[in-house]
Amino acid sequence: GAGVSQSPSNKVTEKGKDVELRCDPISGHTALYWYRQSLGQGLEFLIYFQGNSAPDKSGLPSDRFSAERTGGSVSTLTIQRTQQEDSAVYLCASTLGGAEETQYFGPGTRLLVL
Amino acid sequence: TQLLEQSPQFLSIQEGENLTVYCNSSSVFSSLQWYRQEPGEGPVLLVTVVTGGEVKKLKRLTFQFGDARKDSSLHITAAQTGDTGLYLCAGVSGANNLFFGTGTRLTVIP
Repeated sequence: GAGVSQSPSNKVTEKGKDVELRCDPISGHTALYWYRQSLGQGLEFLIYFQGNSAPDKSGLPSDRFSAERTGGSVSTLTIQRTQQEDSAVYLCASTLGGAEETQYFGPGTRLLVL
Repeated sequence: TQLLEQSPQFLSIQEGENLTVYCNSSSVFSSLQWYRQEPGEGPVLLVTVVTGGEVKKLKRLTFQFGDARKDSSLHITAAQTGDTGLYLCAGVSGANNLFFGTGTRLTVIP
């Protein structure tokens, strides 16, 4: 079956603009994670959705970042008033259950804020 | 924040050489995962180790989980150019928390 998909694959925006990043998880996966990766380094946890539970937003770096997951499937990560330091690769992963399960990652969205 | 430090951060070796990557933390994890990420792609799971002291082998790759479940190592024997990539460890703590390491970028030179 299809893997995790993300769109757009690349996004260039001007400082101060809002951006929306989309993630389509694997069908049937109840958990969805967003991560940020800078300069090919480790992954920084942003937010976690599990079924109908309230999301774990503890990793969001500021109130300019928000995410939603509609119908337990597609998720959108929104960054308002983008700053240059927001430039990074944003990765989405889905799993069948909790953190101990295999995380299946999408290819990421490369965001560049000018 | 449960920090997982990986060393070395960068590693460049000749094809055929052996290497070891380390993943260390002061925190205890219920399990630990290793991923490899290639340019332009998301990380892909290589292995999960669960029991303290556990050793798992995946062809030329050997993974070990420390006895205290705070650290892990990845040993590659006779490295090949196809092993080039970013290696990430990730520790599981609780039901929902997965903490990624700082990453080791491996380049295998033909």
